[in-house]
Amino acid sequence: DIQMTQSPSSVFASVGDRVTITCRASQTINGWLGWYQQKPGKAPKLLIYSTSSLQSGVPSRFSGSGSGTDFTLTISSLQPEDLATYYCQQANSFPLTFGGGTKVEIK
Amino acid sequence: EVQLLESGGGLVQPGGSLRLSCAASGFRFSDYGMSWVRQAPGKGLEWVSTINFSGADTYYADSVKGRFTVSRDNSKNRLYLQINSLRTEDTAVYHCAKSWSDLLINWFDPWGQGTLVTVSS
Repeated sequence: DIQMTQSPSSVFASVGDRVTITCRASQTINGWLGWYQQKPGKAPKLLIYSTSSLQSGVPSRFSGSGSGTDFTLTISSLQPEDLATYYCQQANSFPLTFGGGTKVEIK
Repeated sequence: EVQLLESGGGLVQPGGSLRLSCAASGFRFSDYGMSWVRQAPGKGLEWVSTINFSGADTYYADSVKGRFTVSRDNSKNRLYLQINSLRTEDTAVYHCAKSWSDLLINWFDPWGQGTLVTVSS
């Protein structure tokens, strides 16, 4: 099974800050990496697929990058509505696996 | 607009059974794989099961294999999860989710709001 390790587990940042979340896979996943945003009490929402492709309707302040086993989600200028927990997920092989999540909180 | 609405959750004793259902609308249901993903209270996301577009191929997490069965009825645009031999660690919100594309191994988009399964004596 491919293990997905996210860091940090939580981050406190101010509005306008640049926020970076990392996700490391236990083996190469050929770019099959997605990111989700889950706001409190809501279902997760797909933000980014295939490492760096922005899902339709997602603000351009979100971006993804990476290759091999190391991937990054960046929020270029944090907004109040970005308060959420973010998860990475590999879609390279079954069993599909998620990172443990990163909670983004606003200072 | 794609909509997924789960039902069937509830309180059940250890060893009991439930059948979860997901009603899909707003897309050609028979063209897409579908999945179940669960989230224990205060915890992260755990993939449970995926079924291909026709229902011929199914995949399960090791933690549920042999106890859970996923199925679909394309004539009714419905996805199901039969959960047997429930354990306390199965307590979670169960979300159904549409495959993002027509590939079997995929991301999930969108997700339903989920149905809560509580296993307790």
